[in-house]
Amino acid sequence: SQTIHQWPATLVQPVGSPLSLECTVEGTSNPNLYWYRQAAGRGLQLLFYSVGIGQISSEVPQNLSASRPQDRQFILSSKKLLLSDSGFYLCAWRRWGAGGMSGELFFGEGSRLTVL
Amino acid sequence: GEDVEQSLFLSVREGDSSVINCTYTDSSSTYLYWYKQEPGAGLQLLTYIFSNMDMKQDQRLTVLLNKKDKHLSLRIADTQTGDSAIYFCAEPFDNYGQNFVFGPGTRLSVLP
Repeated sequence: SQTIHQWPATLVQPVGSPLSLECTVEGTSNPNLYWYRQAAGRGLQLLFYSVGIGQISSEVPQNLSASRPQDRQFILSSKKLLLSDSGFYLCAWRRWGAGGMSGELFFGEGSRLTVL
Repeated sequence: GEDVEQSLFLSVREGDSSVINCTYTDSSSTYLYWYKQEPGAGLQLLTYIFSNMDMKQDQRLTVLLNKKDKHLSLRIADTQTGDSAIYFCAEPFDNYGQNFVFGPGTRLSVLP
């Protein structure tokens, strides 16, 4: 069966510090990978998605970046955090080329980031 | 752009039915989804419906799809306190169906 892991689950960082959130998917190959952010009391904002190693699409210009060094690893980074980066970050995966299938997203448990 | 709309709050009494509504914009979506988020957790897929269906029933859950009005609803029968959560509807969006657009979520509160 497929699983998705995110870490750390909780992070408190000062403004201006760097960030690295990691996400790993197991039990599948060549998944589409996604990073979403959920601000307090709000919906989901798509930040980045990737259809393959080294392929990153950015949906929202900001001081965050994403990388996919391996097929099933997706990393969200920042060189200098802002207060507005606080939120709940969710990694998700989807079967590649899910045409004809239900093609749903599977989410990790989330990483709560507080920037002080 | 693509937009998915939901009411933000719903309160029901335990044992009553809950109906959560959603409107979407992309008439070419093949599937539409409902997700549930419990406090501090990720999103869990509840159910989905294929766009050529009008209704799908899965135990206490009933999904109704009105393609003409681009309206999707989720009915939870015999609502329990464990159903208290945020419910999101979502549709795939972009030319390749790679991205998803989520509604803002409906916070369901179940009162004893």
